[in-house]
Amino acid sequence: DTTVKQNPRYKLARVGKPVNLICSQTMNHDTMYWYQKKPNQAPKLLLFYYDKILNREADTFEKFQSSRPNNSFCSLYIGSAGLEYSAMYLCASSRPGGGNTGQLYFGEGSKLTVL
Amino acid sequence: TQTVSQSDAHVTVFEGDSVELRCNYSYGGSIYLSWYIQHHGRGLQFLLKYYSGNPVVQGVNGFEAEFSKSDSSFHLRKASVHWSDSAVYFCAVRRPNYNVLYFGSGTKLTVEP
Repeated sequence: DTTVKQNPRYKLARVGKPVNLICSQTMNHDTMYWYQKKPNQAPKLLLFYYDKILNREADTFEKFQSSRPNNSFCSLYIGSAGLEYSAMYLCASSRPGGGNTGQLYFGEGSKLTVL
Repeated sequence: TQTVSQSDAHVTVFEGDSVELRCNYSYGGSIYLSWYIQHHGRGLQFLLKYYSGNPVVQGVNGFEAEFSKSDSSFHLRKASVHWSDSAVYFCAVRRPNYNVLYFGSGTKLTVEP
């Protein structure tokens, strides 16, 4: 089963409230990623876990938190949502070393709307 | 810094037509380029990749892409499109450390009957 599952698929949040998005995969992939996708823009890498090591992009360092309690799960946490956080959040995973193709396996996304 | 540019936000063709979706990259190191497809409401799915060797690479469903170092391009092509090819296509370049991809903004392909 080469699927990545994301919950919830749709999330409505109030400005200033926290948001927690969940991602899971059962492929024993060592790397899990979170991207932010806004309409007509490229998916933007927020952070990724290589095994237990969290790597955050410099320009999103302060805005997003994440945890990976075990190999299969990864969360994305926003402490205080702002309107600018409204977006689709894409979770992905990849095999150790990227495998033969280096491909990422994506979930269907979690659409966050902040009001 | 790795960047990817997809100049066409929308492309519309008729079923049976050929199509080329353009991708230009900016990166001076070892090249790893790939294409992904996203059907409406679905996650991104891997189509094909280029890392080395033959600059023309084959992917699933009749797609192919050609790498050109001189043009800094990695255009995606299909000889005869089907309505089911309607989707958004993303080009990506990989960062050398870790398996991290940076994507272009995507090209929405619409195949008319």
